[in-house]
Amino acid sequence: DIQMTQSPSSLSASVGDRVTITCRASQSISNYLNWYQQKPGKAPKLLIYAASSLQSGVPSRFSGSGPGTDFTLTISSLQPEDFATYYCQQSHSIPLTFGQGTKVEIK
Amino acid sequence: EVQLVESGGGLVQPGGSLRLSCAASGFTFSSYWMSWVRQAPGKGLEWVANIKQDGSEKYYVDSVKGRFTISRDNAKNSLYLQMNSLRAEDTAVYYCARDSSILTAYYNVFDYWGQGTLVTVSS
Repeated sequence: DIQMTQSPSSLSASVGDRVTITCRASQSISNYLNWYQQKPGKAPKLLIYAASSLQSGVPSRFSGSGPGTDFTLTISSLQPEDFATYYCQQSHSIPLTFGQGTKVEIK
Repeated sequence: EVQLVESGGGLVQPGGSLRLSCAASGFTFSSYWMSWVRQAPGKGLEWVANIKQDGSEKYYVDSVKGRFTISRDNAKNSLYLQMNSLRAEDTAVYYCARDSSILTAYYNVFDYWGQGTLVTVSS
């Protein structure tokens, strides 16, 4: 199974900050990497697919990079509605696996 | 508007069974792979199973193989998860999710999710 490791597990940031979250795969997954945002009590929401493709309707302050084994999700200017938990997910092979999540909190 | 509505969750004793349903609307259900993803209380996301458009291919995470069965009824626009021999570690919110592959050409990307249904396995 492909293990996905996110860092950090949590971070505190202020509105307007640039935030970067890292996801590392235990083997090369090309660009088969996706990012989701989840707010408390809600279902996850797709932000980025194929490492760097922005899902329709997602603000352009979100961006992703890859490919290979190391990936990043960047929020260029953190907004109040961005405080949430973020998950990466590999779609390279079954079983599909997620990172453990990164909680973005208000500083 | 795409909608996925799960139902069937509840409290069940260890070793018991439960059948989850997911009613889909707002899109051509029969054209999409579908998945179940779960989230234990306070924990991260875990993919459980997926099924091809016509039901001819199904895949499972190892921890549920032989106990859970994913199925679908395209005439009813519905996805199911039959869960048998339930264990305490199966306690979670179960989400159904649509695979975006026919739109993006990338498989196993989940572009729409239901609100989830809670399954609690406890005596």
